Amino acid sequence: GQQLNQSPQSMFIQEGEDVSMNCTSSSIFNTWLWYKQEPGEGPVLLIALYKAGELTSNGRLTAQFGITRKDSFLNISASIPSDVGIYFCAGQGGSEKLVFGKGTKLTVNP
Amino acid sequence: SQTIHQWPATLVQPVGSPLSLECTVEGTSNPNLYWYRQAAGRGLQLLFYSVGIGQISSEVPQNLSASRPQDRQFILSSKKLLLSDSGFYLCAWSVGGGAGNTIYFGEGSWLTVV
Repeated sequence: GQQLNQSPQSMFIQEGEDVSMNCTSSSIFNTWLWYKQEPGEGPVLLIALYKAGELTSNGRLTAQFGITRKDSFLNISASIPSDVGIYFCAGQGGSEKLVFGKGTKLTVNP
Repeated sequence: SQTIHQWPATLVQPVGSPLSLECTVEGTSNPNLYWYRQAAGRGLQLLFYSVGIGQISSEVPQNLSASRPQDRQFILSSKKLLLSDSGFYLCAWSVGGGAGNTIYFGEGSWLTVV
C-alpha cells in the first residue's frame, strides 16, 4: 500500500527560527495536505495542494507539491511559541482515502 | 459553512463495557465519513470509512464497529471494550469525488479503558 515518510520526527527550535519539514511517498499522489494538531484537539487543515509544482502560502506557512508528485514540504518562517504542535502531512492517490505521515512534533523555546 | 461535532469529548469506561461515540456533520450532504484512532498523540490510524448510508468499510479488524444510520451521522461502537481500545478517536468528513478530497476533523474523543 501507499506509505509516507515524514521527517523529522521532532524539532526543538528557538523562537524566531525558520522550520522545514517534509514528506516523501513511495507512489504518486494527486493531493498533498498539511495539518496541525494541538494537544487534545483534532488536526486542523493548514494548506491543501492539488497540482504538481504548486507553491501555496498561508501566513508564515508555505508548502509545496513536489514536481515528481512524490513529495511535499512545509516551511514555517519566524516561528512563535503558538506554532507548537504536531504537524501531519497527508497524501491521496487514486482512492478516496488519505495516507498520513507519522507527524513532526515541533517545540518552540521562547 | 460545514461543521462537525463528536461526543462525548472524554470517556472513562471499564473493560468489558460497551462503547458508543457519535459524530454528526452539518452544512453538507452525502459526505464521506471516517473514524480514526490516534494513540500516544502520534499517528492517525483509519478505522472505518463510509461513502453513504449503511455503507461501511473496515480498515482494521478489531473490537470495534461503525454504523451510519443517517446521511450525516456516524457512530463508533463496541460491545465489550478492551484495554487496548484506549486512545483518541477522531471523526472526520470529506466531500466525495476522487482526487482533491480534503478531510476535515472533529474535536476528538478521549477514551480511557480501565
